[in-house]
Amino acid sequence: SYELTQPPSVSVSPGQTARITCSGDALPKQYAYWYQQKPGQAPVLVIYKDSERPSGIPERFSGSSSGTTVTLTISGVQAEDEADYYCQSADSSGRVFGGGTKLTVL
Amino acid sequence: EVQLVESGGGLVQPGGSLRLSCAASGFTFSSYWMHWVRQAPGKGLVWVSRINSDGSSTSYADSVKGRFTISRDNAKNTLYLQMNSLRAEDTAVYYCARDADFDYYMDVWGKGTTVTVSS
Repeated sequence: SYELTQPPSVSVSPGQTARITCSGDALPKQYAYWYQQKPGQAPVLVIYKDSERPSGIPERFSGSSSGTTVTLTISGVQAEDEADYYCQSADSSGRVFGGGTKLTVL
Repeated sequence: EVQLVESGGGLVQPGGSLRLSCAASGFTFSSYWMHWVRQAPGKGLVWVSRINSDGSSTSYADSVKGRFTISRDNAKNTLYLQMNSLRAEDTAVYYCARDADFDYYMDVWGKGTTVTVSS
């Protein structure tokens, strides 16, 4: 299976824009998905198919893709967005997760 | 309400075995592929295994291949993970998750069950 690489941490002030990247050789051929996980809770999907937003997810969450990198963008970050974020994709045998990025809201 | 509830976690010695269960409700369990995902303390999510809707096809991460077996009982709406030859590095919260229809993400997750492998 292949790897997805994320930065370990990203920090932003409230109201600013946070960008979290995820890199992987297969991403030009496979969609990426993003999950938010808060302490002690199960993950929640925030973006699917690179840039689609599930119902109930605030509009400030968006996704984009360029070559081997996908990006989760959170515009106008709020304190409640502080969490771990994971990208995920698929390979021939199953699913692959990135290592996760801790978003800190300063 | 769509729900997944894991059970069966606990403390087990290295080399021991444990069987996890995941009870599904609120949806037609037999129509969905299912997954197990784990998370070691303070670490990230790791995909463990998946099974197709009728149980005829399974797949595993290299780290558990040959030691773990995923299965399901569609009559009981239950997913299982049989874990043998457990190691300290298998210590984690184990989540079961439903595969989304016609896509490659997990749209419903349980709250997880904790497995601790220690002497």
